[in-house]
Amino acid sequence: EVQLVESGGGLVQPGRSLRLSCTASGFTFGDYAMSWVRQAPGKGLEWVGFIRSKAYGGTTEYAASVKGRFTISRDDSKSIAYLQMNSLKTEDTAVYYCTRDGYYDILTGFPEAFDIWGQGTMVTVSS
Amino acid sequence: EIVLTQSPATLSLSPGERATLSCRASQGVSSYLAWYQQKPGQAPRLLIYDASNRATGIPARFSGSGPGTDFTLTISSLEPEDFAVYYCQQRSNWSITFGQGTRLEIK
Repeated sequence: EVQLVESGGGLVQPGRSLRLSCTASGFTFGDYAMSWVRQAPGKGLEWVGFIRSKAYGGTTEYAASVKGRFTISRDDSKSIAYLQMNSLKTEDTAVYYCTRDGYYDILTGFPEAFDIWGQGTMVTVSS
Repeated sequence: EIVLTQSPATLSLSPGERATLSCRASQGVSSYLAWYQQKPGQAPRLLIYDASNRATGIPARFSGSGPGTDFTLTISSLEPEDFAVYYCQQRSNWSITFGQGTRLEIK
């Protein structure tokens, strides 16, 4: 069964850091780019960023709202993607979903649609 | 940044009826548009990619149209499990945005 499982969420004070993990199973993790998408309580979806597969250089792109504060990385040997979140703000409070970028631009590796989602992990930034 | 505007915000229909959901982009996005369904307490599920292609396992009653700036998700005959929130999503130059969602509720 193709599956993504997020972990690492919790309550954190503003200005502190937190690292989320996304463990994949049921598919060849290294063949796919991976994204993070978040959803604030009662709100819509917001793309956070993604990391390309090694075939596309393993590079990353981020939404403007998190650029310079969040970092996405991957360990293909363990089938895990990470989201390192620094300098957290109260507006970062959200459920964070890990996604598989099943449909993507063949030339650039940029995601077009997310075909597999994890169950999400809640991050609450509050003093 | 390309803004996606979904309408209506809420759609009230009965099982068996036809649902038409709209997503308008502030600029042309070619056919790079996807639709997702989200039920309470669950992660979103991909329904449609590239404007009109059904994702794996999605029933034929779901269909999408485009491309350009005006996109439509149609559910031909609503089943009880279709009542949920629907989001459209586009990708452009190094950015991805979602619409604000349409809530499909039972009338």
